[in-house]
Amino acid sequence: GAGVSQSPSNKVTEKGKDVELRCDPISGHTALYWYRQSLGQGLEFLIYFQGNSAPDKSGLPSDRFSAERTGGSVSTLTIQRTQQEDSAVYLCASSLEAFRTLNTGELFFGEGSRLTVL
Amino acid sequence: KQEVTQIPAALSVPEGENLVLNCSFTDSAIYNLQWFRQDPGKGLTSLLLIQSSQREQTSGRLNASLDKSSGRSTLYIAASQPGDSATYLCAFLNRDDKIIFGKGTRLHILP
Repeated sequence: GAGVSQSPSNKVTEKGKDVELRCDPISGHTALYWYRQSLGQGLEFLIYFQGNSAPDKSGLPSDRFSAERTGGSVSTLTIQRTQQEDSAVYLCASSLEAFRTLNTGELFFGEGSRLTVL
Repeated sequence: KQEVTQIPAALSVPEGENLVLNCSFTDSAIYNLQWFRQDPGKGLTSLLLIQSSQREQTSGRLNASLDKSSGRSTLYIAASQPGDSATYLCAFLNRDDKIIFGKGTRLHILP
């Protein structure tokens, strides 16, 4: 696609339910990032993929959070047993290559998925 | 812990003024620094990317500088317009392939 696409754009769920957020990166981009942005806060790094592998999962807040990427393209972020503190905008970004290999690394973001946990 | 600080947190200026947004970072071993714009309810739009070997980048009315030794970057906006109103974020790429973001500067250009 022309840009990074995220779905759903808005999700309201009840506490305890599972949610899945999807990210479709720019075609040909091998690096994919998930960030979380809470109201009034900066962007919090969650996880990064190079191809289908995730070299850095250090940002995932708890074991309720998981992410996968298949075919080097679409990624899904899953939050199990959602809590109210999970409410935030979840942003996905992609880049052409793993940054250090090319030392370029311009990052392109999607519009985000706004999650509200009641 | 690596951090990015953006000052001021918010700024209001009359239309037409030139302005400078500041970004400081704690890790001098950065690979690049990127400035983004975020409109309310939207994702981030890349404005300028400065590689570690560069000192500045320009795009239209925007100019970004990078001084790794002092851990600073500035975004200069010339002849500001109401359409420039947004939150501006800077972020640097560190040696672990992690991009660290500041909390942003909320800019409001008064017509």
